[in-house]
Amino acid sequence: LAKTTQPISMDSYEGQEVNITCSHNNIATNDYITWYQQFPSQGPRFIIQGYKTKVTNEVASLFIPADRKSSTLSLPRVSLSDTAVYYCLVGASGGYNKLIFGAGTRLAVHP
Amino acid sequence: EAGVAQSPRYKIIEKRQSVAFWCNPISGHATLYWYQQILGQGPKLLIQFQNNGVVDDSQLPKDRFSAERLKGVDSTLKIQPAKLEDSAVYLCASSLDRDFTDTQYFGPGTRLTVL
Repeated sequence: LAKTTQPISMDSYEGQEVNITCSHNNIATNDYITWYQQFPSQGPRFIIQGYKTKVTNEVASLFIPADRKSSTLSLPRVSLSDTAVYYCLVGASGGYNKLIFGAGTRLAVHP
Repeated sequence: EAGVAQSPRYKIIEKRQSVAFWCNPISGHATLYWYQQILGQGPKLLIQFQNNGVVDDSQLPKDRFSAERLKGVDSTLKIQPAKLEDSAVYLCASSLDRDFTDTQYFGPGTRLTVL
């Protein structure tokens, strides 16, 4: 399983765009990149998943460069309610669904 | 669609006592997971079931933890006897199937405090 590295914490202000970058240098050909979000006192929640280029949904965008050795989760116009821990995970399609969570990135959004 | 249900939400016990947690996954989900999350850390997978069979229990402390998933639906996780270091949130999750691309849906967790 590819090891991931992401910042431990980030600060932002309401209305700003937040970009969280995750490094996964030894990503394999069959690997996908998935991001989960966890609010205090709740279980993690799936945000977005991608394989290459760009994926966008109603919550976020995921940018993956051609070499796929990193990925960036982009949250447009954050609000106080986006304060959470964000986890980047990498795993293979066709392989079994084992999520290995690191410490994640603690995002604090300030008024 | 109902989410993953867990009970109880909170439990306080003394060390060496026993405790059990219950999980009801999303209907139709074949794969069920139990995670342990210690304060300030990411969740750690304890055990994964595919229907009612165990796929991965490599990180389950088998001398004190046990889990079962009867009839491939509900699951229980038991700790007997509990230690102080078992204080954590125990999360249950389920997914449609076992591929990495199958989204895992998490329950609210059970917060266990061992005194």
